[in-house]
Amino acid sequence: ETGVTQSPTHLIKTRGQQVTLRCSSQSGHNTVSWYQQALGQGPQFIFQYYREEENGRGNFPPRFSGLQFPNYSSELNVNALELDDSALYLCASSLGGQGTEKLFFGSGTQLSVL
Amino acid sequence: GDSVTQMEGPVTLSEEACLTINCTYTATGYPSLFWYVQYPGEGLQLLLKATKADDKGSNKGFEATYRKETTSFHLEKGSVQVSDSAVYFCALSDRSPGTYKYIFGTGTRLKVLA
Repeated sequence: ETGVTQSPTHLIKTRGQQVTLRCSSQSGHNTVSWYQQALGQGPQFIFQYYREEENGRGNFPPRFSGLQFPNYSSELNVNALELDDSALYLCASSLGGQGTEKLFFGSGTQLSVL
Repeated sequence: GDSVTQMEGPVTLSEEACLTINCTYTATGYPSLFWYVQYPGEGLQLLLKATKADDKGSNKGFEATYRKETTSFHLEKGSVQVSDSAVYFCALSDRSPGTYKYIFGTGTRLKVLA
């Protein structure tokens, strides 16, 4: 069991709305990554934050944005929700931001867009 | 771009059977390779990793060897248990400067019958 917690666990929104997902990192970790996992697929990299700065981004539109706070917790914001945004959103924390370290995943937020 | 391809599931085995889940990758750099496991209702957990060619990662009876010549990282276990039932993801991380993302395969569901 990891020390990464995500909230909420489930969320239902309608198309066009905005959503904020939250993640609390494992103690001592300074890097947070967010992934989108569609049903039956592997996680897709959205972006990574290292010491409050975005330092990597996947192929997601600008309506996906994030923040990392001084305590290294993080938020994922999605504007103008689309039906295809329905997925499990996973947060992963790590130490170092170099891309080779072990990721510690939370259990995810299941987002349904109707 | 970089990619990971793993065998489709589901894979159904009897307890104590041998397991092999195939994984191949495409990468322009020199990635680290990982196997993550996802149990029902939980986030992903690192199972094992290898950081350079010919390295063997091992954990909980599972093994995988980094084969650069065949660009493969197949997961093996000599005798599976019911508790091994889960979804297994092969992944790579690109260590190129400025690239800190992990790329995951689509996952292989394993079901072990008593």
